[in-house]
Formats: sequence, structure tokens, C-alpha cells
Amino acid sequence: DAGVTQSPTHLIKTRGQHVTLRCSPISGHKSVSWYQQVLGQGPQFIFQYYEKEERGRGNFPDRFSARQFPNYSSELNVNALLLGDSALYLCASSIDLNTEAFFGQGTRLTVV
Amino acid sequence: GQQVMQIPQYQHVQEGEDFTTYCNSSTTLSNIQWYKQRPGGHPVFLIQLVKSGEVKKQKRLTFQFGEAKKNSSLHITATQTTDVGTYFCAGVVTNDYKLSFGAGTTVTVRA
Repeated sequence: DAGVTQSPTHLIKTRGQHVTLRCSPISGHKSVSWYQQVLGQGPQFIFQYYEKEERGRGNFPDRFSARQFPNYSSELNVNALLLGDSALYLCASSIDLNTEAFFGQGTRLTVV
Repeated sequence: GQQVMQIPQYQHVQEGEDFTTYCNSSTTLSNIQWYKQRPGGHPVFLIQLVKSGEVKKQKRLTFQFGEAKKNSSLHITATQTTDVGTYFCAGVVTNDYKLSFGAGTTVTVRA
């Protein structure tokens, strides 16, 4: 059974551009969460979706948005990229809210 | 907002020795989870603690949740080179489902 898959694995963007990151959860998992991890720090919560509804939002600007599709896959969009958006973006899926999270390998975003 | 603090930030351990990493929350938690991240990898779930005073063991790892549900610890006995990595605690506040991660304890092992 496949784990959480994220695409792309690496991405280089220029300041001001926008980016779309994709995540496919483990089959049967209804919750998807997004995290930003800067080198040397713990993952910072961005969004959580459950049954296609936003259930939580972290302290990130409105440039960050996300959605969950009927098949439970998810997209994270970031507009007007800044150098400080360079990080590892992690997607995690769980069967339900408040249960263990299974993380994907992440998307390494570099903004130049 | 809720903050989860972890100490120490770094732990250099002689192979075979024991060590403990600690996690403290500014607010009461509904549950706390522990994850391990190897260099270049992604966080991998280790355990979830829900009950006040709960203690769980996984081979050489012992996890504890404080009575007030605001702190937790991870104790590793007889450290091995396979224990290398960063250990994160992540707390969940009641009715707020997001995981708030600590900064992690990065463990290196001297053979």
C-alpha cells in the first residue's frame, strides 16, 4: 500500500511567482495537513483539511491557501513567493482528526 | 498562542548510554505525539499519549505524559547508532486539531 505521496520533490521558483504543491494521502485517510519546515526547526502547521473542509489554519499569511478534493488529495498554493518561503513543505495524512499523522517525503522549495 | 518547548536542542551520547529529552507546553494538551526524523528524511510517528500520567514503552524507548498533561518525556536506554536523528514532540490542544511541534532534540551517537 502506498504511503503519502507528494509532488514535486524539488522545486526552484523566483520571487513573486506562485507555486502549487500536491499531496495524495494514504488510501482511506480523510484528513490532510500541511506543514512548513525550515532547516533546524520543527514543522510549522499551515492547514488541516478533513472531509474537504478546512478544520484548522496556522499563523501564515493569506498568500498561502489550500484545498482538498473529493478523492481526499490536496493542493497547497503559495502566491507572491518570498525568499523566506524557501523550506521543506510536508504533507501528512491521518485516518481521522487527532490520530497519528503519516508524513510524505516533502517538497523542497527554493525561492531565488 | 500555544507553544511547545523541547530541551535539550542537541544531545551527544556515547553508544550504550541513556538519555532523556523533555517537552513542555504552555497549555493543557488533549494528547501528545512523538516523531523521529532522520537526516534528510521526513517525520515518522513513534507514539501517541492521551491519558494523564500515561507511560508507554517501545523496546528501549519509554514515553511519559505528565499528570497535568502539559509535559512529556522520551527516555532512551542503551543508545545505539540507529537512534541518530531528531526527535520531535507535537502537542494537540482540545478541540484544536493542529499538531504544534517542538523544535526537536537532535541526537548524535559516539561509537
